[in-house]
Amino acid sequence: SAVISQKPSRDICQRGTSLTIQCQVDSQVTMMFWYRQQPGQSLTLIATANQGSEATYESGFVIDKFPISRPNLTFSTLTVSNMSPEDSSIYLCSAEGGDFSYNEQFFGPGTRLTVL
Amino acid sequence: AQKVTQAQTEISVVEKEDVTLDCVYETRDTTYYLFWYKQPPSGELVFLIRRNSFDEQNEISGRYSWNFQKSTSSFNFTITASQVVDSAVYFCALSEADNYGQNFVFGPGTRLSVLP
Repeated sequence: SAVISQKPSRDICQRGTSLTIQCQVDSQVTMMFWYRQQPGQSLTLIATANQGSEATYESGFVIDKFPISRPNLTFSTLTVSNMSPEDSSIYLCSAEGGDFSYNEQFFGPGTRLTVL
Repeated sequence: AQKVTQAQTEISVVEKEDVTLDCVYETRDTTYYLFWYKQPPSGELVFLIRRNSFDEQNEISGRYSWNFQKSTSSFNFTITASQVVDSAVYFCALSEADNYGQNFVFGPGTRLSVLP
């Protein structure tokens, strides 16, 4: 299995600021994803973080608002830019493929973001 | 557009009962993936299964089983002899296969409460 950590685990931010969330996997993985879960809601995929190329964003999400980096096979960051209260959510990182079974997907513990 | 419906918002069962969680999907793609995830009260997300649209065989894993019926666009999840630890929100999801991870849609979730 893979262990995924996220930093920070939670944060409270002011409107208009940006926050970068880090996701670290304890083994090399093929694919990494970023999701958002608004309070009491289902999940939404934000983007696929591609190693060595630009992230692939889902409809409704853009790079200017959610820039993503993936400098290597174990690490990715998601930045939430120019935040507004509507960005208050739990942000989750996941990974699959690589050193563990391709058929499994693992999730980080999430980053709980509150925007005032 | 892709869509996933989980008509059961909440289900309550008594321990040891069998329970089936329904998932109905809509897609124009001929190849796609279907998923089930579990989110216990602690909040972490747990991947349960991914199924390719070409593989209609039912899957059994311990007390869990999945029934994929392309004819009715359903991918139902059954827990046999439910336990209190099965209490969680369960999400069904759908993704394109040709561009894996893209057009990824989650259902609204079904909250399962297993009472002792």
